[in-house]
Amino acid sequence: GAGVSQSPSNKVTEKGKDVELRCDPISGHTALYWYRQSLGQGLEFLIYFQGNSAPDKSGLPSDRFSAERTGGSVSTLTIQRTQQEDSAVYLCASRLAGTDTQYFGPGTRLTVL
Amino acid sequence: QKEVEQNSGPLSVPEGAIASLNCTYSDRGSQSFFWYRQYSGKSPELIMFIYSNGDKEDGRFTAQLNKASQYVSLLIRDSQPSDSATYLCASPISGTYKYIFGTGTRLKVLA
Repeated sequence: GAGVSQSPSNKVTEKGKDVELRCDPISGHTALYWYRQSLGQGLEFLIYFQGNSAPDKSGLPSDRFSAERTGGSVSTLTIQRTQQEDSAVYLCASRLAGTDTQYFGPGTRLTVL
Repeated sequence: QKEVEQNSGPLSVPEGAIASLNCTYSDRGSQSFFWYRQYSGKSPELIMFIYSNGDKEDGRFTAQLNKASQYVSLLIRDSQPSDSATYLCASPISGTYKYIFGTGTRLKVLA
């Protein structure tokens, strides 16, 4: 596609439920990032995938968060047993190898009731 | 803990004025710096990047980098109301592609 796409655009869930957020990067971009942005805050790094290398998971806030990237393309961020503090916009970005520019998707707004 | 710091603002400037947005960073090894613009409710979009000390100009935007002072700034000339947004500064941790973002400065350009 022309840009990074994310789905769903909005997700409302109940505390304790699991959610899956999807990111489809720009075709050919081998690097993929997940960030979280709480209301009025900057971007918090969660996880980074680069090609077939082991992902950098150092930003995941707890073991309830996990992410995978299948076939070097689509990525799924899973949050288990959601808590109210997980409410935020989750942004995905992709980057072409050898360059520095990240292209962001439109984000998924997650609300945990 | 590597940090990128910005004044949250809001920074208010009149239309046509120069807006100056500032960012400091803690990682002395940082080599590249990025300015993103984020409109309310939208995702960030890249405005400029700078790698070398000095100034880099692109249209109405000028990025300035001073590695000795660990300081990077973005100047917007002839500010327009459409420039009203939050501006995020970012830099990768040296030797990595893990980006640290500042919390952003909200700019308001008054018509």
